[in-house]
Amino acid sequence: QVQLQESGPGLVRPSDTLSLNCTVSGGSISGSNYYWGWIRQPPGKELEWIGSVYYRGSTYYKSSLRSRLAISVDASKDQLSLRLSSVTAADTAVYYCTRGAMLWGQGILVTVSS
Amino acid sequence: DIQLTQSPSSLSASIGDRVTITCQASQGVKRYLNWFQQKPGKAPKLLIYDASNLETGVPSRFSGTGSGTHFTFTISSLQPEDTATYFCQQYDDLPFLTFGGGTRVELK
Repeated sequence: QVQLQESGPGLVRPSDTLSLNCTVSGGSISGSNYYWGWIRQPPGKELEWIGSVYYRGSTYYKSSLRSRLAISVDASKDQLSLRLSSVTAADTAVYYCTRGAMLWGQGILVTVSS
Repeated sequence: DIQLTQSPSSLSASIGDRVTITCQASQGVKRYLNWFQQKPGKAPKLLIYDASNLETGVPSRFSGTGSGTHFTFTISSLQPEDTATYFCQQYDDLPFLTFGGGTRVELK
């Protein structure tokens, strides 16, 4: 059974870069025909898709975040990564990694604060 | 972007009541719509996929119908453990996922 697990710092300072990883277990990123992505949910707010990468490498980003966002896969580690630069308090959220539309990780809370 | 309008935003019902939530898409999404349950501090849990298919292990009191732009999610007999927020998600425009605003279900 494929599982996703997010990891990374829970606190990031304003203007810094938020970096998260998602490790895939029970399956392979490169061997499957899926979009791998990130969704976030600010406290008390709605879910927001922020970006995805196809297993072959094409990336897709929410237009409002495109200039600050990078999503990639490391097939050798079966790992998905997110980098969001120049963060502000508005980027405080629970970040979920996903496979397609239906498989989600448990999520990781990232707080942007000095 | 495909917009999903979910209603109501919250509801209060008694144990055993039938609960219905609707999700309206701004354009047709065929049957590529899922329903999730989310409890505080937890990741969303998939209940219904492809509009009407019950995810393995999910109680049969949960159901979904619809296609195109209009979808309905029903809990046939509300149980205490069903208090949660429910939301719809379209994936017709994969990878560009969008979500409904959520419906908070509480016990009366």
